[in-house]
Amino acid sequence: DAKTTQPPSMDCAEGRAANLPCNHSTISGNEYVYWYRQIHSQGPQYIIHGLKNNETNEMASLIITEDRKSSTLILPHATLRDTAVYYCIDLLSNSGYALNFGKGTSLLVTP
Amino acid sequence: GAVVSQHPSRVICKSGTSVKIECRSLDFQATTMFWYRQFPKKSLMLMATSNEGSKATYEQGVEKDKFLINHASLTLSTLTVTSAHPEDSSFYICSARDLGSTGSREQETQYFGPGTRLLVL
Repeated sequence: DAKTTQPPSMDCAEGRAANLPCNHSTISGNEYVYWYRQIHSQGPQYIIHGLKNNETNEMASLIITEDRKSSTLILPHATLRDTAVYYCIDLLSNSGYALNFGKGTSLLVTP
Repeated sequence: GAVVSQHPSRVICKSGTSVKIECRSLDFQATTMFWYRQFPKKSLMLMATSNEGSKATYEQGVEKDKFLINHASLTLSTLTVTSAHPEDSSFYICSARDLGSTGSREQETQYFGPGTRLLVL
């Protein structure tokens, strides 16, 4: 089972920041947290990953709490094309570090 | 990001036939690839871990004789669904593990193919 929990769905207005939370209180201290998204009928797309420090790239920012029990993915200016299921993921160390998908958050960006 | 391709993108076959799906990492070498399956409105479920030059590791409940995996090179893994039945109809997705230029966990990322939709009649 996934070690991460996310709200099942969220809405966001186009142009506003989308803040997607994730709880991962049981992951170990050396496990990275990965974020992917999946647009309908496509393969998942890598967004960002982090361990302890906050991370930023051209797609998003990742804020990780100091105790590493939770994190927030921030899409600074959401567009309609950001509508997707967002997954906060840990790794399956017993399966060659495969991604351990939970149910994700279905983000709907509205006009 | 790196590119992973899958072929075919969709396939329809008759019950009892075999179907081969190819997964290629186009701009990096991947010693490890993964095969997932996704049913409608469900999340991705790991089927097996494919290691170059060695046997695949299957997750519990996945029949290794039914889902044959071959990882003969650092850029290609294949999944063959043998004697397919309608219940095998699903969205099959591969991913390839990119260790980056340093091979460190910090740079490690997995990139996914676009998926293959299989319909068995």
